[in-house]
Amino acid sequence: EAQVTQNPRYLITVTGKKLTVTCSQNMNHEYMSWYRQDPGLGLRQIYYSMNVEVTDKGDVPEGYKVSRKEKRNFPLILESPSPNQTSLYFCASSSPGQFSAEQYFGPGTRLTVT
Amino acid sequence: GQNIDQPTEMTATEGAIVQINCTYQTSGFNGLFWYQQHAGEAPTFLSYNVLDGLEEKGRFSSFLSRSKGYSYLLLKELQMKDSASYLCAVRDNYGGSQGNLIFGKGTKLSVKP
Repeated sequence: EAQVTQNPRYLITVTGKKLTVTCSQNMNHEYMSWYRQDPGLGLRQIYYSMNVEVTDKGDVPEGYKVSRKEKRNFPLILESPSPNQTSLYFCASSSPGQFSAEQYFGPGTRLTVT
Repeated sequence: GQNIDQPTEMTATEGAIVQINCTYQTSGFNGLFWYQQHAGEAPTFLSYNVLDGLEEKGRFSSFLSRSKGYSYLLLKELQMKDSASYLCAVRDNYGGSQGNLIFGKGTKLSVKP
């Protein structure tokens, strides 16, 4: 089944404790992206990757890191989480070469930083 | 700047028709998407428009006017399960960032019996 998976789905952590949210897709998509979603603000892009070893900042990259060592994986790293990073996070992927190239979203990771 | 506007909330009655509007001002344009998102779940793809006109897909239709920077999503024969947020998103082509979507804040649709 074609899908984007994220782990963990729920995470409660404390300020300053490094964490990684994993994202993996099995559709051989070149493009992957991370978003955060907050009430009243909608989906905002954190980082994106056009292909392996190619990453770039989105609209809200501060406090986050990413890497793209393999095509299928695109982990999101919070080196020193803070309470303002409490949010719902989505990973997405697409294949820009396809006609509509719609983005497929993972199920989301709800992160709480206390 | 980049801006996508859509109403925050709408209410409609089961069996009726509802139109959700979206206006956009973006530095580039490479297609407009509509996504459906139920509370706490991932957005799911509904429709894609890149040329002017109407695209119909079952109970859902989407319209685009590039000259006006305007789109709408039309939902017919509303069902209770259509209660969700509807996200308008524009794919830009600024700086070669092919694939990047700029999302509106979403329209929360409530369908009443």
